[in-house]
Amino acid sequence: AQTVTQSQPEMSVQEAETVTLSCTYDTSESDYYLFWYKQPPSRQMILVIRQEAYKQQNATENRFSVNFQKAAKSFSLKISDSQLGDAAMYFCAYRSQGNKLVFGAGTILRVKS
Amino acid sequence: GAGVSQSPRYKVAKRGQDVALRCDPISGHVSLFWYQQALGQGPEFLTYFQNEAQLDKSGLPSDRFFAERPEGSVSTLKIQRTQQEDSAVYLCASSLQGDTDTQYFGPGTRLTVL
Repeated sequence: AQTVTQSQPEMSVQEAETVTLSCTYDTSESDYYLFWYKQPPSRQMILVIRQEAYKQQNATENRFSVNFQKAAKSFSLKISDSQLGDAAMYFCAYRSQGNKLVFGAGTILRVKS
Repeated sequence: GAGVSQSPRYKVAKRGQDVALRCDPISGHVSLFWYQQALGQGPEFLTYFQNEAQLDKSGLPSDRFFAERPEGSVSTLKIQRTQQEDSAVYLCASSLQGDTDTQYFGPGTRLTVL
């Protein structure tokens, strides 16, 4: 079974600085998708960024980018120019051909002004 | 609709009561998923529909949990004889198709069993 590990329960970053959230996963599949979701205290899960495993190029979305290392099964999220609105729980998730998402335990991100 | 909606947002039940949680997916979305999120943890998969067909129910924790989507749109998650360990947030997500599409989540229903 696939597993997703987020080893940082909590991270802090100063406003306007850069922070990297770590994620590793375990799978025997070669074709899959990886996601980062953000969950603010309001609880609505919002997609931040997605990466297809067959693509070598790292995905980017404005201030958000990933470092996808397929051989190492690593998928970290970099947030540049951090803003107060970035404060939330961040979940790394894996989706296989079976369609269901497997989530990590999450990382709480605190942004200091 | 503009997004996935769920109702009620909050539900308090006495142990042993039956509850029904509703999910309205984004209009036109074929796939619908239910997840359970315990406090401070990541969501865990419960079940998956493609149109009205329930293709995967491997995550349902017991036979007290039942989900349906009879017309391929709105879905209901029913929990019979609720137990304290059922207390969690129940999240619904929908996607346009299946394999390659992003899942969009609703706000969730927080169930508290006393």
